[in-house]
Amino acid sequence: DIVMTQSPSSLAVSAGETVTINCKSSQSLFGTIRQKNYLAWYQQKPGQSPKLLIYLASTRESGVPDRFIGSGSGTDFTLTISSVQAEDLANYYCQQYFDTPWTFGGGTKLELK
Amino acid sequence: QVQLKESGPGLVQPSETLSLTCTVSGFSLTSYSVSWVRQPSGKGPEWMGRMWYDGDTAYNSALKSRLSISRDTSKNQVFLKMNSLQTDDTGTYYCTRDRGYTNYWGQGVMVTVSS
Repeated sequence: DIVMTQSPSSLAVSAGETVTINCKSSQSLFGTIRQKNYLAWYQQKPGQSPKLLIYLASTRESGVPDRFIGSGSGTDFTLTISSVQAEDLANYYCQQYFDTPWTFGGGTKLELK
Repeated sequence: QVQLKESGPGLVQPSETLSLTCTVSGFSLTSYSVSWVRQPSGKGPEWMGRMWYDGDTAYNSALKSRLSISRDTSKNQVFLKMNSLQTDDTGTYYCTRDRGYTNYWGQGVMVTVSS
């Protein structure tokens, strides 16, 4: 199984800051046929289902604010949130769908400083 | 619009079988795949298995010996059955419409394994 490792596990921020969440996979998520990275990012607020933010490592889902930016390739990926707002305080998860079983990272909790 | 809704018992006895139903609307099960994902409280999600649009299934190898996913396309339902439940199977169970990544999630059903 592909292991997804996220860092940090928690992050305390002030509104307006830019934050970076890292995700590392145990093997490359780059598909040579489509030349794409099969990596997604989700946001989950307490008591809610996860919400898709980013897929194919850098494609923003419809309706997601452009302050959420996904980047990276191969085994190293990053979710950057520029100018964090109070509504962004949540848990964030990366997920690989390069190979089954799809696997998720352990999560990063974004908290208010 | 696309909707998925899980239903099933909230409490299951240890060693018993969990049966959950996912009722979908707004899309056809013969056009889209549906996965089950579970999440223990305070932890990351775990993909359990998938009902492909063509009726094939795929399972997480860690659960494969205990898990079965089936469907009834006439009722727009996907079913999960998992036997020999233990306390570490406690968590929220979601059905999802997935393309590898998941852009539609059900609200989830909380399942507690306890005597």
